[in-house]
Amino acid sequence: DQQVKQNSPSLSVQEGRISILNCDYTNSMFDYFLWYKKYPAEGPTFLISISSIKDKNEDGRFTVFLNKSAKHLSLHIVPSQPGDSAVYFCAASDNTGNQFYFGTGTSLTVIP
Amino acid sequence: DVKVTQSSRYLVKRTGEKVFLECVQDMDHENMFWYRQDPGLGLRLIYFSYDVKMKEKGDIPEGYSVSREKKERFSLILESASTNQTSMYLCATLVRASTGELFFGEGSRLTVL
Repeated sequence: DQQVKQNSPSLSVQEGRISILNCDYTNSMFDYFLWYKKYPAEGPTFLISISSIKDKNEDGRFTVFLNKSAKHLSLHIVPSQPGDSAVYFCAASDNTGNQFYFGTGTSLTVIP
Repeated sequence: DVKVTQSSRYLVKRTGEKVFLECVQDMDHENMFWYRQDPGLGLRLIYFSYDVKMKEKGDIPEGYSVSREKKERFSLILESASTNQTSMYLCATLVRASTGELFFGEGSRLTVL
């Protein structure tokens, strides 16, 4: 049973515009939510995270928003750049350090 | 900087062959993980280990085994490879337990013919 869901397999955005990637989860006990970015033939790299006690975290062009009542988080990239084209995975962790739940990924294409 | 090195970037094996995928990390981290990534299925956990000689099954352990004889090395073993094990295999280490941040290796693309 998928505890973290990314319902959009792909997204295309014009360079300079905002990219919004969405993620839903089912378990209200998750401690942290993370976004990873993956280029083809490479391993995922950590992008940004947010604690379950916060509703926003910002790092440069990347902002993650958490809506706990809706069990929904989103990653905003603004402005989008062609180098942002990659697959983005949403993930959630509990506080054991052993359990991580990944979404199925959203492939972002930023069109120059 | 954390480094997670996977021994082979690309492998081609035949059905029934035994396959070893090795992963080495250089930061003395305790927790290590093996995932496979398939299109439309995301990352699925095969096995993880939280200490030397300790291992726990993940979501899809069937057809796989692991070995952790030394803290820095976590090996994934396919005893008898099958075509449905063609996939990208990703090793990871837990770099920040407080947030659950994982650091991944570059991946091993395995093709089983």
